[in-house]
Amino acid sequence: AQKITQTQPGMFVQEKEAVTLDCTYDTSDPSYGLFWYKQPSSGEMIFLIYQGSYDQQNATEGRYSLNFQKARKSANLVISASQLGDSAMYFCAMRPSGGSYIPTFGRGTSLIVHP
Amino acid sequence: GAGVSQSPSNKVTEKGKDVELRCDPISGHTALYWYRQSLGQGLEFLIYFQGNSAPDKSGLPSDRFSAERTGGSVSTLTIQRTQQEDSAVYLCASSFVPGQGASYEQYFGPGTRLTVT
Repeated sequence: AQKITQTQPGMFVQEKEAVTLDCTYDTSDPSYGLFWYKQPSSGEMIFLIYQGSYDQQNATEGRYSLNFQKARKSANLVISASQLGDSAMYFCAMRPSGGSYIPTFGRGTSLIVHP
Repeated sequence: GAGVSQSPSNKVTEKGKDVELRCDPISGHTALYWYRQSLGQGLEFLIYFQGNSAPDKSGLPSDRFSAERTGGSVSTLTIQRTQQEDSAVYLCASSFVPGQGASYEQYFGPGTRLTVT
């Protein structure tokens, strides 16, 4: 069974500062992918970044980076230079690379960026 | 290119009526998922289609829920005899699977907001 834990129900950050959103996971699958999605108030889920379990380097996509610590089973999202438009819900998800490809999502973290 | 589309965007129905929700995935994506998201909650997996394989229905909450995918493309989620607790946003997503694409992330549609009165 897979489990995703996001312990921060809400986070606040000042505009232009960096923020880290926590995600820990538990799985018995040897190979898996980790994902972060953003859900603004409009409701649409937007893919941000992906990390494969065998990737040697942490993933980066523009202002987003994923701090992947496999031994600790954590996949924290780091947003640099926060913008007002970053205010949204953020969901961490994990999906096995074999067998059932059904992802498991965390409960989400609400991020509010203050001007 | 075109993303995932869903229709209708909003649906208000009376308790006990049947509803059909439609999803058009991205062309070429063989995996299709339905999720339910209640207000302020995370995503609840409902059903997964992969190519011509039998769907994984393990997330369907009751036998009032069913889904089909025709021709490996469009999918319809049907809720029979709707109840007030069925009120939620129903999200559809599609993706490649490992071997087809690099990161096989899911692309989500805008959702259908279902309100059962």
